[in-house]
Amino acid sequence: DQQVKQNSPSLSVQEGRISILNCDYTNSMFDYFLWYKKYPAEGPTFLISISSIKDKNEDGRFTVFLNKSAKHLSLHIVPSQPGDSAVYFCAASGSPGTYKYIFGTGTRLKVLA
Amino acid sequence: DAMVIQNPRYQVTQFGKPVTLSCSQTLNHNVMYWYQQKSSQAPKLLFHYYDKDFNNEADTPDNFQSRRPNTSFCFLDIRSPGLGDAAMYLCATSRGLAGEETQYFGPGTRLLVL
Repeated sequence: DQQVKQNSPSLSVQEGRISILNCDYTNSMFDYFLWYKKYPAEGPTFLISISSIKDKNEDGRFTVFLNKSAKHLSLHIVPSQPGDSAVYFCAASGSPGTYKYIFGTGTRLKVLA
Repeated sequence: DAMVIQNPRYQVTQFGKPVTLSCSQTLNHNVMYWYQQKSSQAPKLLFHYYDKDFNNEADTPDNFQSRRPNTSFCFLDIRSPGLGDAAMYLCATSRGLAGEETQYFGPGTRLLVL
């Protein structure tokens, strides 16, 4: 049972445009969400996070939106740059009694120059 | 730079031959994790150490063991690797165990089982 889902395995976007990566979750007890970026041959790197008490968190070109009622979060990258090409993982935590991150399967973003 | 280091980056072993993967960290974090990630799948937590306390995930096979001799180092031992154990193994660290603690990952070790 996959509690965190990234239904788009890949996404291509033109340089300068907006990239929107989506993530859905099923466990309403999750209260903290993160996005990680992974380049080939490297480990995942923390990008941005959001607590369930917020519906938006912004850091430079990266913004994460959380819609708790829909159990959906999204990562917006504006403007997209070729260096943003990577695999993006969504993760959730906060089920009572556990510290664990539950990861999605990732979305491969390709930003075209 | 403070970091998480994994050695080797690529490991080839034979079916049934024990193999050890290593992880070290300069972050002085209390918690160290081992994840398994197979192609196009989400990273799956195998176990973690909080300081010297070991916590195994319920579905981690007995074939996988871990050691943490000190704060800086953690090892993943696969006693009898099978073909299904070929994967990327990721080590991560965090200061604490709260759900909001950011985990910092190493570059991973890709294991190939022949």
